[in-house]
Amino acid sequence: GQQVMQIPQYQHVQEGEDFTTYCNSSTTLSNIQWYKQRPGGHPVFLIQLVKSGEVKKQKRLTFQFGEAKKNSSLHITATQTTDVGTYFCAGPRMIQGAQKLVFGQGTRLTINP
Amino acid sequence: GAVVSQHPSWVICKSGTSVKIECRSLDFQATTMFWYRQFPKQSLMLMATSNEGSKATYEQGVEKDKFLINHASLTLSTLTVTSAHPEDSSFYICSGLTSTDTQYFGPGTRLTVL
Repeated sequence: GQQVMQIPQYQHVQEGEDFTTYCNSSTTLSNIQWYKQRPGGHPVFLIQLVKSGEVKKQKRLTFQFGEAKKNSSLHITATQTTDVGTYFCAGPRMIQGAQKLVFGQGTRLTINP
Repeated sequence: GAVVSQHPSWVICKSGTSVKIECRSLDFQATTMFWYRQFPKQSLMLMATSNEGSKATYEQGVEKDKFLINHASLTLSTLTVTSAHPEDSSFYICSGLTSTDTQYFGPGTRLTVL
C-alpha cells in the first residue's frame, strides 16, 4: 500500500550534536509536511515542501525534499534541549477519492544535556 | 499558523457511557477535518475524515456506529465515542485542513475509560 517510512525510530544525542531524520515514500508526493510533537503534546506544523529538490531553513532546522519527490529529510544543527520531541513527516495521498495525510512512524529525539 | 481548539482536553468516564469531543477551527474555515487516534509512543492513526455538511468517511476497521462524527458547520466537528470501553482509552486528536492542504492539529483529548 501507500506508505511513508521514517527512520530512525529513536535517536538519542548529546546536547550540541546534530540530528537527522529521514522520510521515504513509496510513491511520488505532491508535497511533504513536517510536524513536531513534544512529549504530552499534539503535532505542530513545522513546514511544507513542494518543489523537487527544495531546501528550506528555519533557524537550526534544515528541510530537504528529494529530486524525485519521494524522500525528505530534517536536519537539526547543534541540538538544544528544546528540540526534544517526536518529528513526523507526512505526505498527502488520494485515498478512495479523498485527500488524506499519511504520517511516517515518527522519530523520537531525546537529548542528554 | 491556523488555530484549532479541542474540548475537553481530558476526560475520565465509566464504561458504557458516551463521550463527546469537540473540534473547532478558530481562525479559518475547515470544510474538512480529520480525527486521529494515537496510542502511547506511536504515530497518528487516521480514524475518519469529517466533511462539512456530509457524512464522514471512516477508515478501514473503524466502527462508524461506535465513533459518531458530526460536522455541522465550517468550524466545528464533533466525535462521540458511544458506549465507551477501556480499550477506547486513547489520545484523540483532530485537525483542520487549510486551503493550502496543510493540517493544523488541535491539542488533543485524552480519554480514559474506567
